[in-house]
Amino acid sequence: NAGVMQNPRHLVRRRGQEARLRCSPMKGHSHVYWYRQLPEEGLKFMVYLQKENIIDESGMPKERFSAEFPKEGPSILRIQQVVRGDSAAYFCASSLLQGLDTGELFFGEGSRLTVL
Amino acid sequence: AQRVTQPEKLLSVFKGAPVELKCNYSYSGSPELFWYVQYSRQRLQLLLRHISRESIKGFTADLNKGETSFHLKKPFAQEEDSAMYYCALQGAGSYQLTFGKGTKLSVIP
Repeated sequence: NAGVMQNPRHLVRRRGQEARLRCSPMKGHSHVYWYRQLPEEGLKFMVYLQKENIIDESGMPKERFSAEFPKEGPSILRIQQVVRGDSAAYFCASSLLQGLDTGELFFGEGSRLTVL
Repeated sequence: AQRVTQPEKLLSVFKGAPVELKCNYSYSGSPELFWYVQYSRQRLQLLLRHISRESIKGFTADLNKGETSFHLKKPFAQEEDSAMYYCALQGAGSYQLTFGKGTKLSVIP
């Protein structure tokens, strides 16, 4: 099992461009979480998705950010019209059971977004 | 609102010395507490959770509800313990983990 796969690992965008971050969960996992880590900060929850459903997006900024987890293919975190403040590491995690029943999230290596 | 505080950004100890990584939390109910670890060039991974009461790699953590703390301890530090350690809290019925800012542990040979 290759674990949670995220790509790209590094992404550079200019202000106003779009950023798309992809996450393939561990085999057999159908629950995906996105977290953001700003420099010198802890990880902050953004969104929790199951296949074709957004379960909890309370941590997502209301504008420019969206996430999906289609029936086929990876989960995608999309940031439109990026600004410098979006520069961060974006981590995806997956779990086997719903809602952290086991308390264990399996994390990807993260995607580091730099906005020039 | 729930919050996790790790007061030490960096902690350096000598090999063989005891280690205590501090974690305090703020939450009105009964939380689930976890320690996650990130070794150099590796992914963030679960180290231990308070409900399992396990000792993992010699580390233990006790939930103290009176002091709202969940400090991580190890009696004798090893070089391979050098890593970033994050304390995390899960509120009742929540899908979210709230993480602290992390403590970088450096074990000096």
